[in-house]
Formats: sequence, structure tokens, C-alpha cells
Amino acid sequence: AQTVTQSQPEMSVQEAETVTLSCTYDTSESNYYLFWYKQPPSRQMILVIRQEAYKQQNATENRFSVNFQKAAKSFSLKISDSQLGDTAMYFCAFMNVQGGSEKLVFGKGTKLTVNP
Amino acid sequence: KAGVTQTPRYLIKTRGQQVTLSCSPISGHRSVSWYQQTPGQGLQFLFEYFSETQRNKGNFPGRFSGRQFSNSRSEMNVSTLELGDSALYLCASSLMAGGNTGELFFGEGSRLTVL
Repeated sequence: AQTVTQSQPEMSVQEAETVTLSCTYDTSESNYYLFWYKQPPSRQMILVIRQEAYKQQNATENRFSVNFQKAAKSFSLKISDSQLGDTAMYFCAFMNVQGGSEKLVFGKGTKLTVNP
Repeated sequence: KAGVTQTPRYLIKTRGQQVTLSCSPISGHRSVSWYQQTPGQGLQFLFEYFSETQRNKGNFPGRFSGRQFSNSRSEMNVSTLELGDSALYLCASSLMAGGNTGELFFGEGSRLTVL
């Protein structure tokens, strides 16, 4: 079974600064997706960024980028130029590509607060 | 394009009752999955449906059940409610065309409180 671990329950950062959220995972699969989802207070969860395991290049989406280390099973999220709207719970998630299921395995989440 | 719609958004039940939650996926999406979110256990997978067939099921007791209709709308039911069933229930939909795409879109959730 796959597991996802987020070791930072809470983090804070000043507006305009950079912050990195950590995530490690455990799997015996070779082909999978990794995700970072954002859940703002009382709002729906949205996809921030996706990484396909077979791609060596790290995914980027505007101010969001990941550091994907497949051998170390590490998948961290870097948020540059933090904005107040980035305040949210951030969940790291794993999805196995094989088998046709889109089941997500989530970490416990990191609560990020961006301070003005 | 409308997003994933979940109803009701909030509900309060008492122990022993049953509840039905509804999820309308994004138009054209054929896969619907459900998750339970609690402060203690985090986000846990309940079930996944594709073309009216249950594709995968999480480790929940038989009191939790679901189904998907021909228009891709889905419902989940929890019978004989327990205090521990209090949670935010999230529905997610995806296109699921030609295999998994890895892109799930979530609704705002149904917050269930069991008294």
C-alpha cells in the first residue's frame, strides 16, 4: 500500500517570500502521479501542480514548482513570491497509474499561513 | 462550465439515522469518487465509480455505500450513523477517457454532523 507523509503540520511565511513544503511517499510502483492540492478555508480543493513519475523534469506552474526526487521518494512544493491568497491547507497526494483507478492517497496536510 | 456540485452542503443527523449525499460531476465527466475528510484521519478514499460501475472501494464498513447513475451523477449513503461519521464528504470527478488522466476536480463538500 502507498503512504504519503507530510512532516510539517503548520508553516508560515511572509508575503513575497519563498516557502517550501515537504512530502515523502512510499510505493513499490514505478509509474504514478504526484500532486499538490490546495484547500483554502471553507473552499473547495483545487489542483496546484501535477508530476508524472516517468518525467525527470520538475513540473512548474507560475509561482509553484516542485522538486521531485524519485530515488529518494521526495516531492516538495516551492511557492515563490507568496501571496495572501496562498493561505490554505496543502495536501500532497499519490495516484497509481496502473489498474485504471484514479484513487488518491493523501498526506495529512500542511497548514500554510501567509502573513502580510 | 459548472463545477462539481454537491448537495446538501450542510446537514445534521442523529445517531442511528441514515443519510444520502448527492454529487453532480462536471458535464462530460464519467468518473466520480468520494472522500471522507476528518481532522483526525485526514482525507480517506471511500469509493470510485465509472460508467455506473464501482471501480474501487476504500476500507470503510458496509454502512457506507454508493452508486452512480447513467447521467454520471452519484450518490453515497451512510446507514446507522455513528458519531465518528461526522466529517466533510468530498466528491471529485474526472474525464477518465482512455485510462486515468490524473486530473480530479473536487466539489465543495457536504458537511455532516452526527449528534
